[in-house]
Amino acid sequence: EAGVAQSPRYKIIEKRQSVAFWCNPISGHATLYWYQQILGQGPKLLIQFQNNGVVDDSQLPKDRFSAERLKGVDSTLKIQPAKLEDSAVYLCASHLYVNTGELFFGEGSRLTVL
Amino acid sequence: GNSVTQMEGPVTLSEEAFLTINCTYTATGYPSLFWYVQYPGEGLQLLLKATKADDKGSNKGFEATYRKETTSFHLEKGSVQVSDSAVYFCALSKETSGSRLTFGEGTQLTVNP
Repeated sequence: EAGVAQSPRYKIIEKRQSVAFWCNPISGHATLYWYQQILGQGPKLLIQFQNNGVVDDSQLPKDRFSAERLKGVDSTLKIQPAKLEDSAVYLCASHLYVNTGELFFGEGSRLTVL
Repeated sequence: GNSVTQMEGPVTLSEEAFLTINCTYTATGYPSLFWYVQYPGEGLQLLLKATKADDKGSNKGFEATYRKETTSFHLEKGSVQVSDSAVYFCALSKETSGSRLTFGEGTQLTVNP
């Protein structure tokens, strides 16, 4: 079974530029999450999708971050314009949405904002 | 709100040593508790879980017991191996589906031969 795919793995941009990250969850997983992991901290939830609908985006900085999951499969997270404090690893995870308590994470996309 | 606190790291041990990584939580009600592990160059993966008080989760020689009276979920292993070197995250969820995880800061474990 293929895992959660993310790209790009690494991205370096200057502040005020834009960037987009892509995630393809495990086939059949209805629930998809984006987490932000700043160096030395645990992952923090940005947004949760159930199929193509948003379940929770209360922690997403909506003035600069946006995310979509148009067909209920893959998802894109965009940052525009980027700030220095956005430097982090962006993790995508998916979940079959049964009571297994297990999220499957991708390897992450590491963003460096200069 | 919900929060998870892990022992300050990093932790460095010799092979076959006993491991304890402390984790305490703050949450209302009855959260589910998890340990996730991140090996070098890999994504986070579930190590073990416990969904109610006094439950013991176990996997790969690791164990953790859900202690509601002390709001703790400490990770233990009797004899660590070099291959256990990784970052360990304690996490909680208010729903048994495991969604919307709240993570601790992570503890880097290095095991030397």
